[in-house]
Amino acid sequence: EDKVVQSPLSLVVHEGDTVTLNCSYEVTNFRSLLWYKQEKKAPTFLFMLTSSGIEKKSGRLSSILDKKELFSILNITATQTGDSAVYLCAVTSGTYKYIFGTGTRLKV
Amino acid sequence: NAGVTQTPKFRILKIGQSMTLQCTQDMNHNYMYWYRQDPGMGLKLIYYSVGAGITDKGEVPNGYNVSRSTTEDFPLRLELAAPSQTSVYFCASSYGTSVYEQYFGPGTRLTVT
Repeated sequence: EDKVVQSPLSLVVHEGDTVTLNCSYEVTNFRSLLWYKQEKKAPTFLFMLTSSGIEKKSGRLSSILDKKELFSILNITATQTGDSAVYLCAVTSGTYKYIFGTGTRLKV
Repeated sequence: NAGVTQTPKFRILKIGQSMTLQCTQDMNHNYMYWYRQDPGMGLKLIYYSVGAGITDKGEVPNGYNVSRSTTEDFPLRLELAAPSQTSVYFCASSYGTSVYEQYFGPGTRLTVT
């Protein structure tokens, strides 16, 4: 069965800290891995990764994928209160399947 | 562009009632999806559609039905509501699939009592 596991489930940090969120997966026919940020409402897209070892960056956020070890990390540097949210990882498998993890709840 | 819109935002149903959750997108996306999100859980796919007139079941389709008569609209119908259907429902759309991000609507919080 395809699955996506995120860790930690939740964490609390102080403003200015750096955090690393983890996403590991076991899926057949991997196509891509996506990160979303979910505040009170709908998830909003952060990154999509398809190739190993290529870092994607957007401001203080960055992410990288390791297709050999089947995981991705999302780094947030110099955290701010506005970073408080649930961060969701999803992996696509085959033609339509987006498999979501349970998320990491970050409180800054 | 409004993106993906959903109505209603909130709804309380009694056991056995029926209702339709509306979803509309104005991005001309072929792919549309319905998810439910239970507290502390990830998103579970209920139904998806690859274009007007074509729908298929996801992971948790029981108790739900969908239709897709136009590219823009993808309503989700709940028949005979049960407490287990209490959840937050998200509609999403994407230009393509697998290597395209999904755009989500604001969600509908449904309580069945």
